[in-house]
Amino acid sequence: NAGVTQTPKFQVLKTGQSMTLQCAQDMNHNSMYWYRQDPGMGLRLIYYSASEGTTDKGEVPNGYNVSRLNKREFSLRLESAAPSQTSVYFCASTPLGQFPPYEQYFGPGTRLTVT
Amino acid sequence: AQSVSQHNHHVILSEAASLELGCNYSYGGTVNLFWYVQYPGQHLQLLLKYFSGDPLVKGIKGFEAEFIKSKFSFNLRKPSVQWSDTAEYFCAVISGSGGGADGLTFGKGTHLIIQP
Repeated sequence: NAGVTQTPKFQVLKTGQSMTLQCAQDMNHNSMYWYRQDPGMGLRLIYYSASEGTTDKGEVPNGYNVSRLNKREFSLRLESAAPSQTSVYFCASTPLGQFPPYEQYFGPGTRLTVT
Repeated sequence: AQSVSQHNHHVILSEAASLELGCNYSYGGTVNLFWYVQYPGQHLQLLLKYFSGDPLVKGIKGFEAEFIKSKFSFNLRKPSVQWSDTAEYFCAVISGSGGGADGLTFGKGTHLIIQP
């Protein structure tokens, strides 16, 4: 049981390049999330998927797109990377429908640098 | 919209000192409250959580937190810290009305350094 996995762990992009961050969970969770972590800002929600087939914007969605490929996988795409997107990206999941409190389980993160 | 305030951005303590990290949230309805810890180079791990019941919640590694509804606070405490507690600590809240589908709202974090 690997939990939440993310690939790649590190990535360097040039401004304008595109890439997709991959996230998968093997806990049969319904809801999945993408956050970015910046120094002094904590974690901020980019997009989330309450269940397979649905996605919603979070606090900072501009410049990103997401795909909920199936129940296990939730990818984050940067179509045209900008230096402001340099950050550490975390994926998380939670089993919707569980009784509260609704704990989220986090992946190891992807450290992205855009030059 | 919800918001979370962590008042201490950097805290430096000596081993065996007592710890209290402040957290206040701004949501009047039912909330789920969490403290997460991020050790250097690692991902977030749950320290403790609260939804209802006893307002004093005990978590892993000797941490505890007290929910005070009248003060919208959920402060984290540990009676005697260790060098291995050096990490970044995040308070987070999620609305209970969304069934857990909405994302967490995080505070900006507290960087705790324990000096041997």
